[in-house]
Amino acid sequence: NAGVTQTPKFRVLKTGQSMTLLCAQDMNHEYMYWYRQDPGMGLRLIHYSVGEGTTAKGEVPDGYNVSRLKKQNFLLGLESAAPSQTSVYFCASSPSGRAHEQYFGPGTRLTVT
Amino acid sequence: GDSVTQMEGPVTLSEEACLTINCTYTATGYPSLFWYVQYPGEGLQLLLKATKADDKGSNKGFEATYRKETTSFHLEKGSVQVSDSAVYFCALSEAGGSYIPTFGRGTSLIVHP
Repeated sequence: NAGVTQTPKFRVLKTGQSMTLLCAQDMNHEYMYWYRQDPGMGLRLIHYSVGEGTTAKGEVPDGYNVSRLKKQNFLLGLESAAPSQTSVYFCASSPSGRAHEQYFGPGTRLTVT
Repeated sequence: GDSVTQMEGPVTLSEEACLTINCTYTATGYPSLFWYVQYPGEGLQLLLKATKADDKGSNKGFEATYRKETTSFHLEKGSVQVSDSAVYFCALSEAGGSYIPTFGRGTSLIVHP
């Protein structure tokens, strides 16, 4: 049982490049989330999904897109990376039922130069 | 809307000192309350939780009691260790509310030998 995994762990992009971050969970959780974490800013929600085939915007969605084609995977895409997207990205999942805790992945450290 | 307020850090302690990290919340319903811990370079992981008033969550020597009358969920430990150095996040999630949990900004704890 691997829990929540994220790929890649580190990435450096040039401004304007695109990339996709992959999140996978093997706990059969309904809900999945993408956050970014910046110094002094806490966690900020980018997008989330409450089930396969559904996605919704969070607090800071601009510049990102997501897809949840399979229940176990949640992809985060950057179409044209900007230096402001330099951050650590965390994926999380949660069982159905809104009072449950979240399970976090180890994070992806992204630098955009 | 819901909110979580944590004391600002960093909190700096000597080994074996007592720890309290304050957390207060506002919520429209009856939330579940959580403390997460983030060790350097890792994702968040659940430390403890409480799902109803007067419940006490405990784990690894840490405790927190759900106080509905004061809308608080303070984290305590009687004797901290260097290995407890981490960032601690208070969070809430409402069963009848949004799909999105609400996190505090995090409190950094530094424990010196």
